[in-house]
Amino acid sequence: NAGVTQTPKFQVLKTGQSMTLQCAQDMNHNSMYWYRQDPGMGLRLIYYSASEGTTDKGEVPNGYNVSRLNKREFSLRLESAAPSQTSVYFCASSVQGDSVLGYTFGSGTRLTVV
Amino acid sequence: AQSVTQPDIHITVSEGASLELRCNYSYGATPYLFWYVQSPGQGLQLLLKYFSGDTLVQGIKGFEAEFKRSQSSFNLRKPSVHWSDAAEYFCAVGAGGGGNKLTFGTGTQLKVEL
Repeated sequence: NAGVTQTPKFQVLKTGQSMTLQCAQDMNHNSMYWYRQDPGMGLRLIYYSASEGTTDKGEVPNGYNVSRLNKREFSLRLESAAPSQTSVYFCASSVQGDSVLGYTFGSGTRLTVV
Repeated sequence: AQSVTQPDIHITVSEGASLELRCNYSYGATPYLFWYVQSPGQGLQLLLKYFSGDTLVQGIKGFEAEFKRSQSSFNLRKPSVHWSDAAEYFCAVGAGGGGNKLTFGTGTQLKVEL
């Protein structure tokens, strides 16, 4: 089925460990996004990529890095995980940078940092 | 900067009753407005969107929303709620132009009593 695929679905890390969250879309969308979801705070934008080859910071970028590997894939890396990064992470994509058509979301990665 | 307020954190309704979820936005020009639904453990699914034209928009699953510029609101409604509508609902605002992003509200958790 067409859509946004995130891996892994669940992950437990120890403080200081690193990991990369993977995201791939097969809808030929130009723009991709990483959000984190925390209780009572809704979704907050971490990084986004308006088009292949470009990335920009969102609202809460500290502690994260991203790579737009190609048009399909957009990964999020935690270099040294902290308990404050315990969250549910969502990847999304849209046809273009203009948000008028809305986003398609993946099913999320639940990350726990102990 | 754009922002969204969802004043109700939790709402409980009886099955068959009507539903209205509130959303207020802040944006200088005509916004693009969205409602998303998130079932437990799932990603976000687009219910409906508004960006121009008729201020009453119809979405999936029998939902509708009305854009009221004078009140900066975009409330979501459903005439008769089903038990399967229990979920978390997010309002989001975006603006046109390349590279723009959606800003989400903090969500409203809907519980449906049988």
